[in-house]
Amino acid sequence: NAGVTQTPKFQVLKTGQSMTLQCAQDMNHEYMSWYRQDPGMGLRLIHYSVGAGITDQGEVPNGYNVSRSTTEDFPLRLLSAAPSQTSVYFCASSYSPYGGLGNEQFFGPGTRLTVL
Amino acid sequence: GQQLNQSPQSMFIQEGEDVSMNCTSSSIFNTWLWYKQDPGEGPVLLIALYKAGELTSNGRLTAQFGITRKDSFLNISASIPSDVGIYFCAGQSSNFGNEKLTFGTGTRLTIIP
Repeated sequence: NAGVTQTPKFQVLKTGQSMTLQCAQDMNHEYMSWYRQDPGMGLRLIHYSVGAGITDQGEVPNGYNVSRSTTEDFPLRLLSAAPSQTSVYFCASSYSPYGGLGNEQFFGPGTRLTVL
Repeated sequence: GQQLNQSPQSMFIQEGEDVSMNCTSSSIFNTWLWYKQDPGEGPVLLIALYKAGELTSNGRLTAQFGITRKDSFLNISASIPSDVGIYFCAGQSSNFGNEKLTFGTGTRLTIIP
């Protein structure tokens, strides 16, 4: 299994540009999520999905859009990039969204985004 | 929202020393997770805890789920150079509709030569 994969690994955007960060998992996990990591702030949840066709907002959803058309893929779209979106973005997946055995989230390697 | 206080923020230790760090929450969690992040990589799960009072080991790492369900502790014994990185705690409620993970701000571990 490749686990959770993310592309690209690095990206530089200009303010106002749009782009899509790709995330895929091959573990047949139902639950997928996107986080951003900023210095001194840990990981903050942007959007999540409990299954294909179902998405919901996390803690910091503004400026981001998601969709989940398949179990494997969960892309994150930046609609109009702003310097405040400069961050490291992590995608994660788990078998179950609920607490208990089997709910451990596995993370991808991250996408480092800089918005100028 | 829920807050997780993780301490210390950073640690500078010598190889061979033991390490202790902890997380405290303003609310109850049903699951506690501990992750390690190496530079340029995503977090990797170290230990998962599912019951209050549970003590679980993974090699030189030992973690405990506090009996109040509002805290958790991670100990590393006899530290080695590859222990360097950032350690995150994360808590999760198992109630339906509230399954999101809440992360601590991390403890950065540095080993002094």
